Amino acid sequence: QSALTQPASVSGSPGQSITISCTGTSSDIGAYNYVSWYQQHPGKAPKLMISEVNNRPSGVSNRFSASKSGNTASLTISGLQAEDEADYFCSSYATSGAVIFGGGTKLTVL
Amino acid sequence: EVQLLESGGGLVQPGGSLRLSCAASGFTFNDYAMSWVRQVPGKGLEWVSSITGSGGNTYYADSVKGRFTISRDNSKNTLYLQMNSLRVEDTAIFYCAQYMGITKYFPSWGQGTLVTVSS
Repeated sequence: QSALTQPASVSGSPGQSITISCTGTSSDIGAYNYVSWYQQHPGKAPKLMISEVNNRPSGVSNRFSASKSGNTASLTISGLQAEDEADYFCSSYATSGAVIFGGGTKLTVL
Repeated sequence: EVQLLESGGGLVQPGGSLRLSCAASGFTFNDYAMSWVRQVPGKGLEWVSSITGSGGNTYYADSVKGRFTISRDNSKNTLYLQMNSLRVEDTAIFYCAQYMGITKYFPSWGQGTLVTVSS
């Protein structure tokens, strides 16, 4: 099962909004509403930011939102803050029974 | 507060074995499926294996099937990963994570333990 496709990097200035895409296939993202997103700061464990396409866990800022259309999912961060600078990974369940991840996107806050 | 503490990582030669442990606290352990996810430092995440709350069902990535075995001891609130026939490409940080088996996401993660396979 191939990894989901994410841009290697995105950047934005404080206060701006950015969107990270995550492209899969009809066998993973397109097949289920089981897309999740994780934030990872350097040297730290991943942290769940979004589950089931667009559900935000308690404690996660409402500046984080997500959606899905067809085989592509997207994470949007509005009102960028310096603390948002991190790596972001998408994930989806696949028809093979595996959970697959994207290669990760490095967000730089300029 | 959920706490997951991995241990057992280290340096091992190709073909060798290692057993990872993950001590869980702060939640009812046997109510949750659990998983191992690995990450080559500086690279992406890779799901390795999952196990249901009772331990009755296990699942593996193709890359580790037949070499790795996931298990759990609910009386000790501990998750395990027995890794045999290790390869250089298994070198990674191994994370223990809670796993929502129905909705397929990982709510909480441990800090990870580094496994290095090298001669």
